[in-house]
Formats: sequence, structure tokens, C-alpha cells
Amino acid sequence: QVQLVQSGTEVKKPGASVRVSCRASGYTFTDHYMHWVRQAPGLGLEWMGRINLDSGGTNYAQKFRARVTMTRDPSIATAYMEVKNLKVDDTAVYYCARDEVNYFDFWGQGTLVTVSS
Amino acid sequence: QSALTQPPSASGSPGQSVTISCTGTSRDIGASNYVSWYQQYPGKAPKLIIYDVSERPSGVPDRFSASKSGNTASLTVSGLQPEDEADYYCTSYTDRDDFVVFGGGTKLTVL
Repeated sequence: QVQLVQSGTEVKKPGASVRVSCRASGYTFTDHYMHWVRQAPGLGLEWMGRINLDSGGTNYAQKFRARVTMTRDPSIATAYMEVKNLKVDDTAVYYCARDEVNYFDFWGQGTLVTVSS
Repeated sequence: QSALTQPPSASGSPGQSVTISCTGTSRDIGASNYVSWYQQYPGKAPKLIIYDVSERPSGVPDRFSASKSGNTASLTVSGLQPEDEADYYCTSYTDRDDFVVFGGGTKLTVL
């Protein structure tokens, strides 16, 4: 069965970076895109970008283009999302989600990133 | 501010039907057959309940249905059950620079 397992909770100071991982199993890793979506406390879902897990090509939401990098390591079926220069309002749960032809059919469990001085 | 507009809340009694709207533009919902809906319980990851405007994944009850007209998509929950109380989000692919846009979410309360 398809599973996406994300890395654990992170606490960071403003200005630091964080990298969240998403390990996939149960399907051919490189056959799909992976998207990253975040959810600030009490707020809605926000699309951050996507990565082609085969080629490594990326598309980022304009808001995140300067500070977010998505990568992948097909040898261990893992996708990564790094946010640099963290701000307090980057505090959110970050989700990876598998793309099945333009919809998200499987989601990771979420990773809470707290940014606080 | 979300790109797609949803009502912040909706409610109904058990057994009733409720419809949640999701309004976009001619550059997203109006131009896309890739509208999907997600159900989210507090503290949990979202779950796909509708894809490609009106298709239901296996395992999703047929009480959930959806459609699209022009720039507005709609999700209908028929025969409301207590377990339907959750947040619901619409999403669409867009021809803008940002590939995907979400609605702000609707909190469905079963009275």
C-alpha cells in the first residue's frame, strides 16, 4: 500500500533553515510528482510547489520561490523540502502529497515546524 | 487571501443535504477539469474525496457528489452523518504561474 512518511517535529529560530523529508513506499517513486502543502495554525491549506521525482524539475508558488528548494533522492525514495531564512509566520504543518494526474491521492502525516525566538 | 472562495462555514442536521461552493475564475476552475475536494479532520492530513470535478475515489461514500458550472464548483453531502463534520477544501489547477490553488476551506457542522 502507498505510504508517505515524513520526518519529525522541528523547532527553529528565525533566520534558520529547515529540511523536511518524505519517504515513499508501495509504488514506483519516480512515476509521480510530489507536492508540498503547508497549513499554518488555524488556517487553510497553501500550495508551495511540486517536484518531478524522475527528472528533479520543480515548480514553486511565487510566494515561496526565493526561499524554498525541493529535491529528491530516488535511491531511497525520499523527497525533501527546505525552507531557508525562516520567519515566525512559517510556523505551520508541512505536508507532502503524491500527485496522481492532477490531484493529491496520498498525503504524508504532516511535519510541524515551529519558528520562535 | 485564498485564490478560490469558499464559505467559511456550513451546517445541516443528520439526514439533510448540504452544498459547499467554491468560486474561482476563468483561469482556474472555469478552465480546468482538474478540480478536487479534500476532507480534513482536526489534527489529521487531508483526504481526497472528489477528483476530476466529480469522480469519487474507491471507498468514499456515494453521499459525496460534486459538479462544476462556469467558474464555480460545488460539493454536496447528502444524508449527513455525524462523521461528516470536518473541514472541506477545494482545489484547482490554474494556468497562472502557481500551478495549484486552494480554497480557504469550509467547516461543516452536523447539528
